Amino acid sequence: SYVLTQTPSVSVAPGKTARITCGGHNIGSKSVHWYQQKPGQAPVLVIYYDSVRPSGIPERVSGSNSGSTATLTISRVEAGDEADYYCQVWDSGSDHYVFGTGTKVTVL
Amino acid sequence: QVQLQESGPGLVKPSETLSLTCNVSGGSMNNYHWSWIRQPPGKGLEWLGCIYYSGTTNYNPSLKSRVTISVDTSKNQFSLKVTSVTAADTAVYYCARLRAAKGENWFDPWGQGTLVTVSS
Repeated sequence: SYVLTQTPSVSVAPGKTARITCGGHNIGSKSVHWYQQKPGQAPVLVIYYDSVRPSGIPERVSGSNSGSTATLTISRVEAGDEADYYCQVWDSGSDHYVFGTGTKVTVL
Repeated sequence: QVQLQESGPGLVKPSETLSLTCNVSGGSMNNYHWSWIRQPPGKGLEWLGCIYYSGTTNYNPSLKSRVTISVDTSKNQFSLKVTSVTAADTAVYYCARLRAAKGENWFDPWGQGTLVTVSS
């Protein structure tokens, strides 16, 4: 089965840039979607189709995907960005949905 | 906009069947796909399965023999059953709409989640 690997934790100072990576075999050939989950809350979609922001998601949140790594970038980080972030793909070969292991973003 | 809300028992005994319902409001269920995802305490997200608008179901192979998802569009709800539960099935269970476009699929929106504990 397809595996998505994320760095367990990322720490970033307010105003700086956080980069959250999601690794998978030839992930650049798939579309990657990203979710933000704040403590005690349900996940919220923040990026789909690698880099498209849903309505209401700020422009400082962006995504990219190439080769074996997809990246979620949060610029000008704020305290409210502190959360767990999960990547997700659809594995067309098996018609199954796969989540990454999750990254906890801490704002210093 | 569409909102989802899970409901069902918060405590299930080992070896029994876990049953949850997701109520969909603010929009029609027709022509959409629907899914269940769970999250054990302190752990990551695990896709359980989904039901496509055609009525076809698709389950995570790790639980396939124990999971059933069904839909009742007349009541604007869909359901999850997990049989023969153990403590390992203790988790927050989320329902979500599965968006599909251009050959890709993602989950949006999600319900708030409901904690199910398996214990005697």
